Amino acid sequence: QKEVEQDPGPLSVPEGAIVSLNCTYSNSAFQYFMWYRQYSRKGPELLMYTYSSGNKEDGRFTAQVDKSSKYISLFIRDSQPSDSATYLCAMSDMNRDDKIIFGKGTRLHILP
Amino acid sequence: KAGVTQTPRYLIKTRGQQVTLSCSPISGHRSVSWYQQTPGQGLQFLFEYFSETQRNKGNFPGRFSGRQFSNSRSEMNVSTLELGDSALYLCASSFTGGEAFFGQGTRLTVV
Repeated sequence: QKEVEQDPGPLSVPEGAIVSLNCTYSNSAFQYFMWYRQYSRKGPELLMYTYSSGNKEDGRFTAQVDKSSKYISLFIRDSQPSDSATYLCAMSDMNRDDKIIFGKGTRLHILP
Repeated sequence: KAGVTQTPRYLIKTRGQQVTLSCSPISGHRSVSWYQQTPGQGLQFLFEYFSETQRNKGNFPGRFSGRQFSNSRSEMNVSTLELGDSALYLCASSFTGGEAFFGQGTRLTVV
């Protein structure tokens, strides 16, 4: 079983819809969870950074962590064509060796 | 505040050559990590340096090496280049190893 699983998509949704992106993981020691957005030919951009379980909201973005299910989500409200990108989840335990493990990314297309 | 700077942005090399990529982290960040990104494999961790010491290493052959200088700037070197080394090489900096900020990457093409 891979440490981090993420559906590669592509995921196509109409403009204005709520988008749900998800990752599952196997290592219960992970405590820090991140979401990155990557546009074509650019480096990943940090969107959200959360610690342990719970929700975190920033504008149209909400990150959720459910450690009991080893499942994290990123919700995008009122999606815009400019949200079209690849979204990568990432996580680390920060205690053992601080290495960040990335999912392979989900390609998202917002249709105008 | 300046972001992570990677140079050069693009490189074309021939098989068998060696290449050096450079990364300047965000001011004050002491951790620099290197990743290889390809369409099939996604982001793969190469190594991490913290205060001039390699703290973590991924599963890459010894042809891939790196170092970090006292000003936290980092370089990675790939020797005896192979076609399969063609990829986007990304550098990420963080203060201690937490939230990481990426540069724009160096796109290496090996022909």
